[in-house]
Amino acid sequence: EPEVTQTPSHQVTQMGQEVILRCVPISNHLYFYWYRQILGQKVEFLVSFYNNEISEKSEIFDDQFSVERPDGSNFTLKIRSTKLEDSAMYFCASIPKGRPYEQYFGPGTRLTVT
Amino acid sequence: DAKTTQPPSMDCAEGRAANLPCNHSTISGNEYVYWYRQIHSQGPQYIIHGLKNNETNEMASLIITEDRKSSTLILPHATLRDTAVYYCIVTSAAGSYQLTFGKGTKLSVIP
Repeated sequence: EPEVTQTPSHQVTQMGQEVILRCVPISNHLYFYWYRQILGQKVEFLVSFYNNEISEKSEIFDDQFSVERPDGSNFTLKIRSTKLEDSAMYFCASIPKGRPYEQYFGPGTRLTVT
Repeated sequence: DAKTTQPPSMDCAEGRAANLPCNHSTISGNEYVYWYRQIHSQGPQYIIHGLKNNETNEMASLIITEDRKSSTLILPHATLRDTAVYYCIVTSAAGSYQLTFGKGTKLSVIP
């Protein structure tokens, strides 16, 4: 069964550095998402991406964040200048055509900002 | 999106049915009930969804009350691998379909 993949599984970075988290959604899926989960807290929506542009974004998704789908397969989340509070699990998700209720989540990238 | 209320934790004996309740008293007519689960820090996993009618798939059954103000997710024969946090989410089938997660119910399946 196809899966959403994410790399790296764990990223450690220093405060102020830029990070790029990578996701390969399932082929032929239409909507793409990033969520984050700070340790011990709820899963939070960050941004949705459809037809090569941002569809919706949350208040968390400020100017420090950006998303791209550069080559039709990869889907990236960039944090320009990381802060300690960006430490979290970041999950990528995608939706298959015709089944918008069924989001497929990746295994996540654990980001640790020191 | 309508808010949901779930008990913070539940236990279930292995092999027995797990019945996870969810209240969504402010649900509106075009909003669906979704259930997802998250097994220890893994990505959330879709289980089932419904609008008005009861639904069943290979993983679970979803019972929605006639007034749609509450629902119950049923895992018919819980196994240790079903230990997870279960999220009941109510959202409309429109827009960008993003999910708003609450705190969910931590289900512990006990041998």
